[in-house]
Amino acid sequence: NAGVTQTPKFQVLKTGQSMTLQCAQDMNHEYMSWYRQDPGMGLRLIHYSVGAGITDQGEVPNGYNVSRSTTEDFPLRLLSAAPSQTSVYFCASSYGGSGTEAFFGQGTRLTVV
Amino acid sequence: AQKVTQAQTEISVVEKEDVTLDCVYETRDTTYYLFWYKQPPSGELVFLIRRNSFDEQNEISGRYSWNFQKSTSSFNFTITASQVVDSAVYFCALCYNFNKFYFGSGTKLNVKP
Repeated sequence: NAGVTQTPKFQVLKTGQSMTLQCAQDMNHEYMSWYRQDPGMGLRLIHYSVGAGITDQGEVPNGYNVSRSTTEDFPLRLLSAAPSQTSVYFCASSYGGSGTEAFFGQGTRLTVV
Repeated sequence: AQKVTQAQTEISVVEKEDVTLDCVYETRDTTYYLFWYKQPPSGELVFLIRRNSFDEQNEISGRYSWNFQKSTSSFNFTITASQVVDSAVYFCALCYNFNKFYFGSGTKLNVKP
C-alpha cells in the first residue's frame, strides 16, 4: 500500500528559485494538509484542503501556494524560495474532519542556500 | 487559540526504566481530539493513539499507557520497561476544526542499553 507519497525526498534550492513539492495519496481521503517541521518547534500547518477545489491557510502560509484539482494530489508551491523556508515538509491526509487519524508522507528535506 | 506544551525537551533513561512524557494543552473548544505520534530516527511519523474530549478513560496498549485528565488539561504518555527501540521523538498534538493538527514541540527520548 502506497499511502501518502511525497516527492522529492531531498532538494537544494538557491534563493529566489521556485519549485513544487508533490504529494499524492491513494486512500481516497478528502482532507489533506502540509506541515513544516523545524528544530525545536514541532510541526506547523501551512495549508490544508477539505476536498478537491477547496483550500485554506494554516498557521504559516506566507511564501507558499497550494491548489487541489483532484482528490489524490495536493502540491505545495514555493514561488521564490528563501533561506527561512529551509525545513522538512510533511504532507498528511485523513479520511474525515473530526479527529480522524492523519497519515503522513515520508517528508521532503528542503535546503535553501 | 490552540496550544500544546511538551515541557520536556529531551529525556534519557536506561533500558527497562519506566518513563512518562508530559503533554499539556489549551483550547476553548469543548470538542477536540488529542493524539500522540512517534517519530523514529528514520523520520516518518507513526500514529500511536487518539482520544476525544469526552472520553477520559485511560488506555493501555502493551507497554504503552495514556492518562487523560481534562481537569488539568493533560494527556500524558507512559512507556513501561523502556527498550532501545523506543528511542524517538514523541509528539503530542491537538486536533481541531477540519482535522487540523496543532503539535507540541516534541520530546526526544533516548533509551540507553
